Amino acid sequence: AQSVAQPEDQVNVAEGNPLTVKCTYSVSGNPYLFWYVQYPNRGLQFLLKYITGDNLVKGSYGFEAEFNKSQTSFHLKKPSALVSDSALYFCATLSGGYQKVTFGTGTKLQVIP
Amino acid sequence: DGGITQSPKYLFRKEGQNVTLSCEQNLNHDAMYWYRQDPGQGLRLIYYSQIVNDFQKGDIAEGYSVSREKKESFPLTVTSAQKNPTAFYLCASSIEGLAVPYNEQFFGPGTRLTVL
Repeated sequence: AQSVAQPEDQVNVAEGNPLTVKCTYSVSGNPYLFWYVQYPNRGLQFLLKYITGDNLVKGSYGFEAEFNKSQTSFHLKKPSALVSDSALYFCATLSGGYQKVTFGTGTKLQVIP
Repeated sequence: DGGITQSPKYLFRKEGQNVTLSCEQNLNHDAMYWYRQDPGQGLRLIYYSQIVNDFQKGDIAEGYSVSREKKESFPLTVTSAQKNPTAFYLCASSIEGLAVPYNEQFFGPGTRLTVL
């Protein structure tokens, strides 16, 4: 079965510092990977996806993610964190067909002023 | 939250009651989804529909029912058979089709259901 794991329930980072939110995947065949962000009491918003091609994927709000096949990882990164980046971040992969998505358990990002 | 609306924002249910959560989209998307979100468990798929008049069970369909009579609408009914329905419910949609695979999903703002 396709799955993703987010090993950290919470990540704290100081404003202006680089941030990384970790995700590892376990899939058979080609991995299709996504990152979403959720602000409190809101729906999820799409940030970026990896389907094929360049290992460094750029997305919304200055976020990027690095696909690493040898480490089966797809970590989300941003060079300089903002307080407004504080939210819940979900990694996801396609499973059971190309439109069925499996989500990780989420990582809460807290950016400290 | 794009072109997907969910209502109501908050819903309270008494024991033994059925309740229906509304989800409407104006994005002309074929595929629609219902998820349940509980703290620490991420999102779990309840039902999904890839086309009008067709839908499939997700991972936790027991105690829920759906209909897809119109492309724009995908209501979810939480029945009395669902023993622990208190959760945050999210509706989503995506472009469907072999010509445009691997598409991201667009989410509504959610409905928070509480059992009294």
